[in-house]
This record gives sequence, structure tokens and C-alpha cells, in this order.
Amino acid sequence: GESVGLHLPTLSVQEGDNSIINCAYSNSASDYFIWYKQESGKGPQFIIDIRSNMDKRQGQRVTVLLNKTVKHLSLQIAATQPGDSAVYFCAENWGGGNKLTFGTGTQLKVEL
Amino acid sequence: GAVVSQHPSWVICKSGTSVKIECRSLDFQATTMFWYRQFPKQSLMLMATSNEGSKATYEQGVEKDKFLINHASLTLSTLTVTSAHPEDSSFYICSAHVQEDEQYFGPGTRLTVT
Repeated sequence: GESVGLHLPTLSVQEGDNSIINCAYSNSASDYFIWYKQESGKGPQFIIDIRSNMDKRQGQRVTVLLNKTVKHLSLQIAATQPGDSAVYFCAENWGGGNKLTFGTGTQLKVEL
Repeated sequence: GAVVSQHPSWVICKSGTSVKIECRSLDFQATTMFWYRQFPKQSLMLMATSNEGSKATYEQGVEKDKFLINHASLTLSTLTVTSAHPEDSSFYICSAHVQEDEQYFGPGTRLTVT
């Protein structure tokens, strides 16, 4: 999602539904992408990654899709649970030296 | 998995004083660590790259004389915020590069300057 000013875009889903979080990345030269989950007051936690030579990668309950043509990344969470409530960031690695550039983030709220 | 710790987890200091934040890799060695700053409701912004045994590399707009970084060993990097002001209040997060592209993040340090 896109962010304007200081407001994080929010995605609200019902428990058990699937969630799709989107991210537009900035640099077509980026070759490595990661999704992180950040709970309030904590550091980012690795969820899943994907390299630019792939367009899909699956983990446990999560899938990342990469569309290099439109520089778009998405994170799909299956059967969303209350514990999935957090802010989700995509990050890209393009500058070398393992530096990451983070996206603006999406707040995921899971409703019971 | 690789564990990164930060100390302190939170700190309150008076304007004009300096505060040091430590970042440690607990079960691995990291030649490169990164320091990020995160304001409320915002994303992580990379401040600098800390390399063991050499000077840190700062991102554009980050004052190197205000944010002093020391990476004295393969398991410890420190960030010192000098002459802190209320606008420096933020959540400071470090990460450690493990291998290939893997980075592990610390739990963050909440700095409040009064």
C-alpha cells in the first residue's frame, strides 16, 4: 500500500480469512526482497524473502509474489490469525553492501 | 537462529546529554552492522553502515558528528547520540549481516529526550 504523511495504511481482515499486503518498490535494479513483520515496540522479524529471478515463493502460511514489470511485491497470509496483527514492511536490496531500503509499511488488523 | 540484542531497551535523557546504545550479535560474528531510526507510524530509515575495524558509512543527511558509531569487535557496535535534543527521540534499531543477504534485527531502543 501507499502511505501519505504519517498515516500507515491499514488492512482489516476477519480471523481465518486470507490477507494480501502490497508493496511498490522503487528500484528496478533491486535483486533481493524481504518481508518483515514488526510488532509494537519490537524490531522487525523476518517472514520470507525472494530473489529477482523468481516470481513466487511459498513458506508456511505465507506466499510472496514478485512482479518485476511493475515493480510490485505482495505478501499473502493464509488463514490469518490474531497473532498476525502487526505492521508489515517490504524491503529491497539494490545498492550492494547488503543495504536495505524499507517500504512504508501496512498495519494488519485481525478482527475476531 | 542468529540473535541480536540491544542495550538499553529504552532510555530517557536530558537535552544536551549524550547516550550510548549497544548492539550485540550473541551467537555469531558480524563484520557489518546497520543502524536504523524509526519515528512513530513511519518506516525504518537506514542511518549508517558499521564495519568492524573501519569507519562507519553514513547515509545522506545523517550527521556523523552527532551519531557516533564504533564497531570495535565482531560482536559489538555502538551508536552514541551526542548532544541529544527532543527531535532525536526515536526508536533506534540495529541489524547484523550474517551471510549472503541475511540480516537479523535487534529488538530496538526507545530513546526519549526531555
